[in-house]
Amino acid sequence: DAGVTQSPTHLIKTRGQQVTLRCSPISGHKSVSWYQQVLGQGPQFIFQYYEKEERGRGNFPDRFSARQFPNYSSELNVNALLLGDSALYLCASKVQGGTDTQYFGPGTRLTVL
Amino acid sequence: KQEVTQIPAALSVPEGENLVLNCSFTDSAIYNLQWFRQDPGKGLTSLLLIQSSQREQTSGRLNASLDKSSGRSTLYIAASQPGDSATYLCAVVVGDSSYKLIFGSGTRLLVRP
Repeated sequence: DAGVTQSPTHLIKTRGQQVTLRCSPISGHKSVSWYQQVLGQGPQFIFQYYEKEERGRGNFPDRFSARQFPNYSSELNVNALLLGDSALYLCASKVQGGTDTQYFGPGTRLTVL
Repeated sequence: KQEVTQIPAALSVPEGENLVLNCSFTDSAIYNLQWFRQDPGKGLTSLLLIQSSQREQTSGRLNASLDKSSGRSTLYIAASQPGDSATYLCAVVVGDSSYKLIFGSGTRLLVRP
């Protein structure tokens, strides 16, 4: 079975631009979460969606938004990019919205110049 | 506020050595704890998940323990191999509606041939 997939793999943007990152969960998984990992640190929680509804939001500005589609795939949007948004963005999926194991995708490396 | 700390930040050992990675968390009200492996520039691979009611989990050469009362977990790697070289992250699941993971900064392990 295919794991969590993310696109694109790498992305280079300039300050002030907008970016959309995409995630497809493992088949049968209904929950998707997004994490930001800055170099040398552990991932930080951005959003969780379950059954197309937002279940949680981390301490990120309103420039960050996300949604989940009927097929359970998800998009993360970041507006007005800042240099500090440069990071590895990870998507994770799990079967339900609870405490079961989360499976991570390979990530999208975003560089903001 | 839950905080997760991992010690040491980096570790270099010769092949064949048994080693222990440490993880501590400040709030014992967790649902579970997961250990992940991350290769450079890649996503996270789940190694072990310990439920809050469990004391340990084993998978092959890996053994993870959990002591909720003291806020500690250890990951024991037996007979280390060069292929074990990676960053190891621990994360706890906290109890709000998102069941988000809160990560430590990781231990970067190098196993020398």
